[in-house]
Amino acid sequence: DGGITQSPKYLFRKEGQNVTLSCEQNLNHDAMYWYRQDPGQGLRLIYYSQIVNDFQKGDIAEGYSVSREKKESFPLTVTSAQKNPTAFYLCASSTIVKGSNYGYTFGSGTRLTVV
Amino acid sequence: AQRVTQPEKLLSVFKGAPVELKCNYSYSGSPELFWYVQYSRQRLQLLLRHISRESIKGFTADLNKGETSFHLKKPFAQEEDSAMYYCALVGGSARQLTFGSGTQLTVLP
Repeated sequence: DGGITQSPKYLFRKEGQNVTLSCEQNLNHDAMYWYRQDPGQGLRLIYYSQIVNDFQKGDIAEGYSVSREKKESFPLTVTSAQKNPTAFYLCASSTIVKGSNYGYTFGSGTRLTVV
Repeated sequence: AQRVTQPEKLLSVFKGAPVELKCNYSYSGSPELFWYVQYSRQRLQLLLRHISRESIKGFTADLNKGETSFHLKKPFAQEEDSAMYYCALVGGSARQLTFGSGTQLTVLP
C-alpha cells in the first residue's frame, strides 16, 4: 500500500525542547515538503527537498531544521528557537516531472502542542 | 514572487444551489494551478488541476489568465461537499506549491 506516513499523530512539547516529526514515503517520489497549517493562514512551506542530501528553506524556515539522508525519509525538527510551534504539520511528496500525473501526496499530519 | 488569494474564509450555501469558490493568483511565468480539498478528519487531497481540464465530483475550474483567476464552481452543491478548499499554484525549481488561505465551505440542508 503506497503512501506517505507521518508520526506521531499527536505530540506534546515542553518549552525549550527540540522535537522531531517523522515523515516516510514509499512512493519513490523525488521531492518532499513540510508545511505548517494554521487556522485562517492556509498552508505555509517550511522546508523542501528535491534530492537526497539537499534541501532548501521555504517561507517560514526559522526555528526548524530538516535532513534528507534517504529518499524515503524527511524528518522535521522543531527547535526551541521556534517561537510559536503549536500547529498542525503536514508532510508531502511528489514527482517533479511536469505532466498530467503531477500532484502531491499528503500525509495525515502531526499536531504539535507546546505545554 | 508567487501568491494565491482566496478572499472568502467562510462560504455557506444551501443544498442544490450553485457554488463558486474564488481564487486569484500572481505569478510571473505560466502558472500551474490546483484545487485541494480537506474533508473533516481526512487528509488533504487533490481535487482537480487546470492542465487536465477535468470535472471531479461535479466541480470544474477554468483558468482565466486575463483576470488571473482559477475559481472553483459546482452547479448544484451537495451536503457532502462541505469541506475546506485550498487553491494552490506550483512554481520554482522544486515545483513547490504555494497555497491560498483556504475557504471553508458549508452546504446547508
